[in-house]
Amino acid sequence: QSALTQPRSVSGSPGQSVTISCTGTSSDVGGYNYVSWYQQHPGKAPKLMIYDVSKRPSGVPDRFSGSKSGNTASLTISGLQAEDEADYYCCSYAGSYTPWVFGGGTKLTVL
Amino acid sequence: QVQLVQSGSELKKPGASVKVSCKASGYTFTSYAMNWVRQAPGQGLEWMGWINTNTGNPTYAQGFTGRFVFSLDTSVSTAYLQISSLKAEDTAVYYCARAGPIFGVVIMAYYMDVWGKGTTVTVSS
Repeated sequence: QSALTQPRSVSGSPGQSVTISCTGTSSDVGGYNYVSWYQQHPGKAPKLMIYDVSKRPSGVPDRFSGSKSGNTASLTISGLQAEDEADYYCCSYAGSYTPWVFGGGTKLTVL
Repeated sequence: QVQLVQSGSELKKPGASVKVSCKASGYTFTSYAMNWVRQAPGQGLEWMGWINTNTGNPTYAQGFTGRFVFSLDTSVSTAYLQISSLKAEDTAVYYCARAGPIFGVVIMAYYMDVWGKGTTVTVSS
């Protein structure tokens, strides 16, 4: 199972919006509504930010939103804040035998 | 509160073995799947596989068969990752992460909502 494709880096200024894409295939992203997104600050464990394409766990600000079109999922962060600077990883269900596949990760820089 | 507590950092020589533990608390251990995720230095997250805490059945991702073994001790709500014949390229942070819940052999939710803090394994002569 190949990793999902994410841009290596994105950037934005405080207050702006950024969108991170995650491209897979019809066997993973396109085939199921089970895309999740994780935020990871340096030296820390990943944190779940979005699940089932567009749902937010309790405690995650509504500035974070998710969507999907075809084989590409997206994470949008609006009203960028300095603390949003982190690495972001997408993850998709990929079938009953190997349920999960991660994207390569995107480094978000808040300018 | 729900948490996963992992064992401490390990420094091993090539060819040795290591066993990483992940102790769950705050929820019913056998009601959720347990995943293992590797992160090599400066690299991204890599899903290693998962273990059904109900049945003890492990599933390994490609590239993690043979030297990697997932196991459980449900009496102490703990999952284990054992790596044998260690190589320098096994140097990484290893995370356990809860997913599910599970019902029998079926995973009911496909996201990892609780993560351990990670265990650093360094393989060096």
